[in-house]
Amino acid sequence: DTEVTQTPKHLVMGMTNKKSLKCEQHMGHRAMYWYKQKAKKPPELMFVYSYEKLSINESVPSRFSPECPNSSLLNLHLHALQPEDSALYLCASSQTGQEEKAFFGQGTRLTVV
Amino acid sequence: QKEVEQDPGPLSVPEGAIVSLNCTYSNSAFQYFMWYRQYSRKGPELLMYTYSSGNKEDGRFTAQVDKSSKYISLFIRDSQPSDSATYLCAMTANAGGTSYGKLTFGQGTILTVHP
Repeated sequence: DTEVTQTPKHLVMGMTNKKSLKCEQHMGHRAMYWYKQKAKKPPELMFVYSYEKLSINESVPSRFSPECPNSSLLNLHLHALQPEDSALYLCASSQTGQEEKAFFGQGTRLTVV
Repeated sequence: QKEVEQDPGPLSVPEGAIVSLNCTYSNSAFQYFMWYRQYSRKGPELLMYTYSSGNKEDGRFTAQVDKSSKYISLFIRDSQPSDSATYLCAMTANAGGTSYGKLTFGQGTILTVHP
């Protein structure tokens, strides 16, 4: 099983809303990632959790707040987003923090209105 | 200069053709190389993974890595319309190297295989 599950698949939120994206994997991977992907562009790394600790924050604005409650779950809390934050948000996991053989979820398509 | 360069295409080929997709990179610390396939509005799917120079074959797909030239390729034999997607090369470094823990992507090549 190489599945990474993301919910919801689609999300529309206003600029004053608070919402959360969820990601789950049951492959026993100890590293999990959040990526942002705009149309016709490659994914851009946002955060890396390694062994449930935040190891990389790519200078992401504080309106994005990651959380790793346990080794199988990863959340991304969203607050006061801007329309330019509309994108496909991808979660990935890999065996270790070296990110080789990273498996991606299907993403959450976020629209900020 | 980007760390990873990939021709964005688009690339259009007839069904049954051999497709060659390529990436070059500048960071000699990159040790792990991957190819992902991404269908429209879906997440990237890992196709091939390799960490050594040489060829690796999986069905119709062959990944080739030349570390001395900093060049990787993906070959698709007997291409099918279902292969139509964006193909992304990606790479990451060993522990202690720059870009450790980060997957660096090429820009992606849009491939269309027409019947």
